[in-house]
Amino acid sequence: GESVGLHLPTLSVQEGDNSIINCAYSNSASDYFIWYKQESGKGPQFIIDIRSNMDKRQGQRVTVLLNKTVKHLSLQIAATQPGDSAVYFCAEDWGGSQGNLIFGKGTKLSVKP
Amino acid sequence: DSGVTQTPKHLITATGQRVTLRCSPRSGDLSVYWYQQSLDQGLQFLIQYYNGEERAKGNILERFSAQQFPDLHSELNLSSLELGDSALYFCASSVIGGDSPLHFGNGTRLTVT
Repeated sequence: GESVGLHLPTLSVQEGDNSIINCAYSNSASDYFIWYKQESGKGPQFIIDIRSNMDKRQGQRVTVLLNKTVKHLSLQIAATQPGDSAVYFCAEDWGGSQGNLIFGKGTKLSVKP
Repeated sequence: DSGVTQTPKHLITATGQRVTLRCSPRSGDLSVYWYQQSLDQGLQFLIQYYNGEERAKGNILERFSAQQFPDLHSELNLSSLELGDSALYFCASSVIGGDSPLHFGNGTRLTVT
């Protein structure tokens, strides 16, 4: 399967275009989902979250869509900018009171000026 | 800036040695998490503490241990280090133990030679 680093899935888009990053999550019992952005040399940065009782949530230039039927999550970035270039991770909370997140493998977004 | 502070930023040590990584959570956050990020495994959950008590354990080796102190800072101890332990180690914090985003520090890069 894919993994961070050499085998990381890459999405290349033109500046100003919209980006869609997809994620398949693993646990049908997961009730909370988060998208993170990780820039080189930094820790994952919170972008947007969504709970399982919602299908869609919008933030500033970002939208998260949740399809529980097929266990699919997507992140849409409007008017993508060079500063959006990073690795994007989806994460799921398997529920319970722990709160530890299970991360997907990540997608590298490259924005061409 | 996430408000989570990790020290040191870089650590180079030899096989068989022991190191301690330190984390100060965001002000007001009671829960601390440790994650390991390597090229071939992505972000792996290690362990979580909540208000001084261990709350959840992930794929943490027996050679690794952690604790959370009364002032809520946390330390991750790695002993009998092996080459394969070379990775980025991230600390994250959250207000509660579930259904809230984790806020990550910028990590400690450990290199074992």
